[in-house]
Amino acid sequence: SQQGEEDPQALSIQEGENATMNCSYKTSINNLQWYRQNSGRGLVHLILIRSNEREKHSGRLRVTLDTSKKSSSLLITASRAADTASYFCATDAGGGNQFYFGTGTSLTVIP
Amino acid sequence: GAVVSQHPSWVICKSGTSVKIECRSLDFQATTMFWYRQFPKQSLMLMATSNEGSKATYEQGVEKDKFLINHASLTLSTLTVTSAHPEDSSFYICSARDLADYEQYFGPGTRLTVT
Repeated sequence: SQQGEEDPQALSIQEGENATMNCSYKTSINNLQWYRQNSGRGLVHLILIRSNEREKHSGRLRVTLDTSKKSSSLLITASRAADTASYFCATDAGGGNQFYFGTGTSLTVIP
Repeated sequence: GAVVSQHPSWVICKSGTSVKIECRSLDFQATTMFWYRQFPKQSLMLMATSNEGSKATYEQGVEKDKFLINHASLTLSTLTVTSAHPEDSSFYICSARDLADYEQYFGPGTRLTVT
């Protein structure tokens, strides 16, 4: 399976704290993307980082990529209750640009 | 921005019947669309890659005769779950790759419940 793994599987923090989730994948990639999914809903694209990039920022989000370790991390700073959701990384390891999703991290931000 | 729609957003059907789910790119053309399945509290699993005008490519373990995919135009792909069973109940999500910039955009998903 080309599916990546994320840890932790579940994370519970207080509002205002930072949340860090990690993603590891198995094969070489062109890019890695992070998505958010509220319970029972569709995906929301958060950020894309290309294989030649090491770090990227978007608002309260900071993504890092270490291709030598085949891993990425997503940091959400100053978390809010509205950040409560599942977060997935996705890699496009396939030749046809298929996305393979990680196992996901369920984040709960307690008000 | 690029929008992908799915229809229906949810469907309930009886065991043994077939259900068709549509995936449309509303404001862009997509030669390639992808179908994913997501069971409760699990991640998205790629089922198949749908190419306009040709046969779909299925991931290992996905029955092509059970999950029929038709990509008839540059803006529409359909997934038909044939002879549905309760274990096919899941959240089905499609994505479409924009021909212009090769970015992928995801649909909102279709929740299928087979009773």
